[in-house]
Amino acid sequence: EDQVTQSPEALRLQEGESSSLNCSYTVSGLRGLFWYRQDPGKGPEFLFTLYSAGEEKEKERLKATLTKKESFLHITAPKPEDSATYLCAVQDSNYQLIWGAGTKLIIKP
Amino acid sequence: SAVISQKPSRDICQRGTSLTIQCQVDSQVTMMFWYRQQPGQSLTLIATANQGSEATYESGFVIDKFPISRPNLTFSTLTVSNMSPEDSSIYLCSVELAAYNEQFFGPGTRLTVL
Repeated sequence: EDQVTQSPEALRLQEGESSSLNCSYTVSGLRGLFWYRQDPGKGPEFLFTLYSAGEEKEKERLKATLTKKESFLHITAPKPEDSATYLCAVQDSNYQLIWGAGTKLIIKP
Repeated sequence: SAVISQKPSRDICQRGTSLTIQCQVDSQVTMMFWYRQQPGQSLTLIATANQGSEATYESGFVIDKFPISRPNLTFSTLTVSNMSPEDSSIYLCSVELAAYNEQFFGPGTRLTVL
């Protein structure tokens, strides 16, 4: 059965303290892995798409990487405005999206 | 990307009533979707809104409870019928653009049922 697991559920960091969020998956025929950011009361905001193992993408303080089993979202020197829930989703060979439960990130000034 | 708007942004409704949520996109799109996000949880796909034909519903969701219209390539509505407190959620529409693989989301409609 296709499955996406995100860890940790919540992460509290001090401003400037770098860390990583994990998205592990089992899926039949990965077509793509997606990272989104969601602020409270708003819709998810698209961040990255990764298609194959070894691929990396960066945007400001965020860097997403992909292996055959998992993806990491690395946050370098985070700021309080990076606080949000980060969602991971994978698309299987049938074009179905399977969503993770998300990681709530809190950056304290 | 695409600019997606939803109306209303939030509503408080009484048990047994119905609410229709509108989703408008600034460009023509083939694929439109409706999701539900219950408090503190991730996204659950309700259905794919198909232009010119009946929506395709996911397991656990039925047309009588969540009727969907898609009259053209830029607009869709989702109705939440005969509401109960368990329907309190954020309802989101999303689109998939032809040139992209990812989905883009509207701002959501926060529904509270008393």
